[in-house]
Amino acid sequence: DAGITQSPRYKITETGRQVTLMCHQTWSHSYMFWYRQDLGHGLRLIYYSAAADITDKGEVPDGYVVSRSKTENFPLTLESATRSQTSVYFCASSSATRLAEVSYEQYFGPGTRLTVT
Amino acid sequence: AQSVSQHNHHVILSEAASLELGCNYSYGGTVNLFWYVQYPGQHLQLLLKYFSGDPLVKGIKGFEAEFIKSKFSFNLRKPSVQWSDTAEYFCAVITNTNAGKSTFGDGTTLTVKP
Repeated sequence: DAGITQSPRYKITETGRQVTLMCHQTWSHSYMFWYRQDLGHGLRLIYYSAAADITDKGEVPDGYVVSRSKTENFPLTLESATRSQTSVYFCASSSATRLAEVSYEQYFGPGTRLTVT
Repeated sequence: AQSVSQHNHHVILSEAASLELGCNYSYGGTVNLFWYVQYPGQHLQLLLKYFSGDPLVKGIKGFEAEFIKSKFSFNLRKPSVQWSDTAEYFCAVITNTNAGKSTFGDGTTLTVKP
């Protein structure tokens, strides 16, 4: 019962490098999300996906790219990392989307702490 | 677009004190509301949720929240806090127009002094 996992847990990279954060869930949840958590800003949605091959921008998408070729994976790529992208990144998944459905609370991964130097 | 406001950014209490954390949202339609907790060094986990029915919902660890539709509020309460409740608390809302996305408040950091 692995749930939702993220890798790596910690990453240090240099400005300008491309870095990919991985997210994998074992529940076959339809929705997946990427957030960044910064002091004073709470959680901000970067991108989300309603299903495989369906993605959409969140609140702060600039500088990030996502893909979802398989339901269980939702990688987040920083195309050219900047210091402002130093943050803790959380992946989450949800089993339903419509208000009539019972359970669509979000389940969060353990987070990736990314430092861009 | 909907928004969520948590007015208390940092709350400091002594053990056994009562807790109430405010959460207000801006959306006139049907909502579903959540409180998540993040213990130090850990990921977010669900504390409680409101979908419909009884506006007073009970969650884990003795927490409860009351949905007051007329006030657009979903305040979190606990009668007697413990040191282990030290954490960051996030209120979140899902509406029937945002395609499953949760909008989170900025969070409230609760520090409980032993």
